Amino acid sequence: GENVEQHPSTLSVQEGDSAVIKCTYSDSASNYFPWYKQELGKRPQLIIDIRSNVGEKKDQRIAVTLNKTAKHFSLHITETQPEDSAVYFCAASNGGYQKVTFGIGTKLQVIP
Amino acid sequence: GAVVSQHPSWVICKSGTSVKIECRSLDFQATTMFWYRQFPKQSLMLMATSNEGSKATYEQGVEKDKFLINHASLTLSTLTVTSAHPEDSSFYICSATYRGSDTQYFGPGTRLTVL
Repeated sequence: GENVEQHPSTLSVQEGDSAVIKCTYSDSASNYFPWYKQELGKRPQLIIDIRSNVGEKKDQRIAVTLNKTAKHFSLHITETQPEDSAVYFCAASNGGYQKVTFGIGTKLQVIP
Repeated sequence: GAVVSQHPSWVICKSGTSVKIECRSLDFQATTMFWYRQFPKQSLMLMATSNEGSKATYEQGVEKDKFLINHASLTLSTLTVTSAHPEDSSFYICSATYRGSDTQYFGPGTRLTVL
């Protein structure tokens, strides 16, 4: 089955700096890679996703890159703000009704 | 759009009792629903995948007789934790997706505490 590795597990940045979270996956058949943000005690919220036919996607301060050859993808958050503090999960799936495999999560702390 | 609700949001029960958690898609027909368990400071662990009108597919290591899943309609799936024990205490989250979508939409979760 799919295995998703994520690092770092914790990340502290100063407000205004950039944050980068990296993930690797094992199943070359995976073609859908969502990123979720989860605040304490809340549901995971989709913040951005990318499909295997795209190398990069950007939405305001958030961007995701995908390297299919190396089987890794990354989340980039620029101009971080205190409200960006949360746990971020990367995930991979075959799309459609297929199950999603999550990484272990990265706890991001943005220091004011 | 794509809102998923769960009920109850939290429940406390005695050891040995059964607890039912409901997951509803409010504004779409959920062809597939997923049930996850999340322990403190850990990732989401998939328990089972549920398609409307068919038996759930359980992940390895998840006891199907203990965690009963029913997906009777396109908007409702239920998870029943039977004979709950303290080690079943966790945050249970459902998600749902619809035909043509890759995205899973998550419910708010149910915090189960078994005394």
